[in-house]
Amino acid sequence: KAGVTQTPRYLIKTRGQQVTLSCSPISGHRSVSWYQQTPGQGLQFLFEYFSETQRNKGNFPGRFSGRQFSNSRSEMNVSTLELGDSALYLCASTPSAWGEYTDTQYFGPGTRLTVL
Amino acid sequence: QKEVEQNSGPLSVPEGAIASLNCTYSDRGSQSFFWYRQYSGKSPELIMSIYSNGDKEDGRFTAQLNKASQYVSLLIRDSQPSDSATYLCAVNRSGGSYIPTFGRGTSLIVHP
Repeated sequence: KAGVTQTPRYLIKTRGQQVTLSCSPISGHRSVSWYQQTPGQGLQFLFEYFSETQRNKGNFPGRFSGRQFSNSRSEMNVSTLELGDSALYLCASTPSAWGEYTDTQYFGPGTRLTVL
Repeated sequence: QKEVEQNSGPLSVPEGAIASLNCTYSDRGSQSFFWYRQYSGKSPELIMSIYSNGDKEDGRFTAQLNKASQYVSLLIRDSQPSDSATYLCAVNRSGGSYIPTFGRGTSLIVHP
């Protein structure tokens, strides 16, 4: 099976702009989670989507949002970019089902976002 | 307050030695515990998961969990230079939700 894919791999934006990142999970996986990784804060959970619904959410401001499509592909959007949003954004998919939380995650290669 | 603590290292061990990586967590209701390996410039890769007290072995890797002490560790036997990476400890909160918390990782260097 193909792994988790993320596009684009690298992105440079300026403060105040918005950005959309895309994630395609492993075929058959219905749960997609997003993470932010920075040297200062480490890996932090943003949110999880399952069957087009946000199922869990981390402690990030409303500028960070996401959605999931019927084919399980997910997008993450960051509006009004700040310098501190520069990070590696990772997507992970899990073979989860309703009422179950499968812990095994498979990470994509990430999108490196730089905000100038 | 940090919820998952790891020594940032670097932990330096000679090739063939046992590397011991430690992690403590604050949420007593935590139920799932994971170790990920992350090579520089790459994404994390799950290497071990553990859910019950005691040891779990998989090849050269052994995860140890002590819920009473809120402590989870990873032992790497016969360490190889290819094991040089950052090891992330992750803990899943209780209550049926899935909001994993990661430690900041321990950098391991295995020198020939």
